[in-house]
Amino acid sequence: DARVTQTPRHKVTEMGQEVTMRCQPILGHNTVFWYRQTMMQGLELLAYFRNRAPLDDSGMPKDRFSAEMPDATLATLKIQPSEPRDSAVYFCASGPPGVGNQPQHFGDGTRLSIL
Amino acid sequence: GQQLNQSPQSMFIQEGEDVSMNCTSSSIFNTWLWYKQDPGEGPVLLIALYKAGELTSNGRLTAQFGITRKDSFLNISASIPSDVGIYFCAGRDSNYQLIWGAGTKLIIKP
Repeated sequence: DARVTQTPRHKVTEMGQEVTMRCQPILGHNTVFWYRQTMMQGLELLAYFRNRAPLDDSGMPKDRFSAEMPDATLATLKIQPSEPRDSAVYFCASGPPGVGNQPQHFGDGTRLSIL
Repeated sequence: GQQLNQSPQSMFIQEGEDVSMNCTSSSIFNTWLWYKQDPGEGPVLLIALYKAGELTSNGRLTAQFGITRKDSFLNISASIPSDVGIYFCAGRDSNYQLIWGAGTKLIIKP
């Protein structure tokens, strides 16, 4: 089965460092979503793209987070500078073209720890 | 804003028991999705529901889209150890926004 691929799977770094997380959506999918999952907040939508254009990033702290899709096969989420409260699992999901009801398919996440 | 209540928050069950969990919304949804998340992995789609009243099965799992379009349930029959994990519901509104439940953690008693 096709899967969303996320790298790295784990990242430990010190606060203040830049963190870049990468996502390869399923081939042919044109929507990409970034989520953050914590025990306290559950799954939070940070940003999503359709056809590489950002449609909604209202869930993302703008001062330190940025999300881009340089091409259809790569989405990136950057945190600069990172802070301990950014520690969480970050998931990327992608969805196929359609009328908007298509389910999202998730990667296995990047587990981020900021010391 | 829209709210989606998923219950129960966690369940302790014996192997072989049937399981039921549900999600209710304050507003109408056009789609209900049920996902399962295993430790260290991303959520995996179990069942997608697109019409009010729709009842769909996937093996021992059955989910229904409530007739009011404000709720959905997921049943698991004859639970087995590999059913443990966190089950999430998600509902899509008329603006195609996907709203997530907080999850139901399923634990099987030894």
